[in-house]
Amino acid sequence: DAKTTQPTSMDCAEGRAANLPCNHSTISGNEYVYWYRQIHSQGPQYIIHGLKNNETNEMASLIITEDRKSSTLILPHATLRDTAVYYCIVRAQGGYQKVTFGTGTKLQVIP
Amino acid sequence: NAGVMQNPRHLVRRRGQEARLRCSPMKGHSHVYWYRQLPEEGLKFMVYLQKENIIDESGMPKERFSAEFPKEGPSILRIQQVVRGDSAAYFCASSWATGSGANVLTFGAGSRLTVL
Repeated sequence: DAKTTQPTSMDCAEGRAANLPCNHSTISGNEYVYWYRQIHSQGPQYIIHGLKNNETNEMASLIITEDRKSSTLILPHATLRDTAVYYCIVRAQGGYQKVTFGTGTKLQVIP
Repeated sequence: NAGVMQNPRHLVRRRGQEARLRCSPMKGHSHVYWYRQLPEEGLKFMVYLQKENIIDESGMPKERFSAEFPKEGPSILRIQQVVRGDSAAYFCASSWATGSGANVLTFGAGSRLTVL
């Protein structure tokens, strides 16, 4: 799997957009970008994934740069319940690849 | 449609005893992953299984730990002769075998093992 780099921590004011960056400069053409989050002591939760087009679902938006070397997860209106560790992972479709989690970004939403 | 079910949620064992953690994947999922999370640390991959097969156990400690995913029934992570260092949260995840959802893992709530 390509290596990803994320900031260790970020703060965001409640109600504002949270923009979480991820660098994956060695990403291969067949690798997707996946985002998960882990709210304190709970099981991780899948958020969104994409290949090269921007993606949006009910939880978040994913913006992938044209060269695919970085991406940004956007939580449009952060709430206190969005406080969590956010993990960016790159992984190819098909075949077996174990999913490894790095240290992620600790997002603190502030009232 | 129940999610990934793990039990027990909390387990207390004395040193030297055995711990058995169970994981029932989501309906239709045939792939199971186990992860360990030590207090204040990240998720560490342990093992990946398909029905009746261990595909990747590169993250499993060489001794005392074993995992299975039988044809019928839940996946089981077994820890023999537990030590205090085994105290952790153990998370199970499952996924589809193929298709675009194959890389989307659904996690359970975890089993928290405390070794006295």
